[in-house]
Amino acid sequence: QKEVEQNSGPLSVPEGAIASLNCTYSDRGSQSFFWYRQYSGKSPELIMSIYSNGDKEDGRFTAQLNKASQYVSLLIRDSQPSDSATYLCAVDVKAGGTSYGKLTFGQGTILTVHP
Amino acid sequence: KAGVTQTPRYLIKTRGQQVTLSCSPISGHRSVSWYQQTPGQGLQFLFEYFSETQRNKGNFPGRFSGRQFSNSRSEMNVSTLELGDSALYLCASSPGTSFNEQFFGPGTRLTVL
Repeated sequence: QKEVEQNSGPLSVPEGAIASLNCTYSDRGSQSFFWYRQYSGKSPELIMSIYSNGDKEDGRFTAQLNKASQYVSLLIRDSQPSDSATYLCAVDVKAGGTSYGKLTFGQGTILTVHP
Repeated sequence: KAGVTQTPRYLIKTRGQQVTLSCSPISGHRSVSWYQQTPGQGLQFLFEYFSETQRNKGNFPGRFSGRQFSNSRSEMNVSTLELGDSALYLCASSPGTSFNEQFFGPGTRLTVL
């Protein structure tokens, strides 16, 4: 089992729709969860951080965390063509050791928003 | 506030050579993490430095090394380059708290011929 897994893509949604991206993780000791957006040829950009169970909203983005189910998701409302990118889930997996400065990333989900 | 800077942005080397990459974190951030990104393996953690000390290390061979200076700037070095070292090398800046929130630089694209 991979430490961080994302739903396989690619994901295609029409403009104005809600895009739903999912991620599961294996380490119950994980405490920090992040979503990054990466445009082709660019570096990852942090768009959401979440540390406690529940929802966290920031503009059109909502992150949801369920530690009991070891599940974190990202919802993008009113999707725009400019949201087309690869979305990376990142978790501070400790796996019995330390997580100092280490994030474990999923493989990413490619999102395409078509007009 | 200035973001994370990395130099050089692009590098072309041949097998057997060595390379040094540089990263300047966000002002006030004391932690610098390095990652390798390839299409096949995705983003993989190399190591992290905090206040000039390596606190964590990933599963990479000893050819990959790094250091951090007193001004928090960091360098990573890869010796005896192999074709498989071709990748995007990313550094990430963090305040160094337990929340582990990281901000990435633009990356250095290394091509090994």
